[in-house]
Amino acid sequence: QQQVKQSPQSLIVQKGGISIINCAYENTAFDYFPWYQQFPGKGPALLIAIRPDVSEKKEGRFTISFNKSAKQFSLHIMDSQPGDSATYFCAASITGYALNFGKGTSLLVTP
Amino acid sequence: KAGVTQTPRYLIKTRGQQVTLSCSPISGHRSVSWYQQTPGQGLQFLFEYFSETQRNKGNFPGRFSGRQFSNSRSEMNVSTLELGDSALYLCASSPEVLGNTIYFGEGSWLTVV
Repeated sequence: QQQVKQSPQSLIVQKGGISIINCAYENTAFDYFPWYQQFPGKGPALLIAIRPDVSEKKEGRFTISFNKSAKQFSLHIMDSQPGDSATYFCAASITGYALNFGKGTSLLVTP
Repeated sequence: KAGVTQTPRYLIKTRGQQVTLSCSPISGHRSVSWYQQTPGQGLQFLFEYFSETQRNKGNFPGRFSGRQFSNSRSEMNVSTLELGDSALYLCASSPEVLGNTIYFGEGSWLTVV
């Protein structure tokens, strides 16, 4: 049973555009929501993370928006660049327990 | 600080054989967890070790096992390999309990033929 549902599966954005990836979860006990970025041949790397006591967190061009009542969170990549082309995974967990990952979004930013 | 190191990076095994994968966590990290990554199932949690004790376990058959040594290094073993075990096996480490930042290695690519 997929505890975190991620969409879209793939995304093509023009350079300079905004990339938006969405995730939804069911378990209201989740208290940690990270996003990971993975380049081909590499392991996933933490991009940004949020806890449910805040609704938004921004780090550079990357922003997480969190909607606790809707049990949804999303990643926004502003001014998307070709170097952002990668697979992005959302995840959720309860502190002390394993991360539950979404199935990933393959992002392609065209020049 | 060196990252998470996994060996071997690539290996090919025959169905029915067994395989052992190794992971050296970031220095000072005491928690090591293992994930299986496949195109169809994505990233799935195998197990987590902390201070040589398995604390969490995912929904994988008993053919998948692991252990952690006193220096926090970890190994995972898969016995009686099946074709469906072909995957990228990722090790991740974190300073303390899960639910906080975990750092992944580059993984071990296992192909079962």
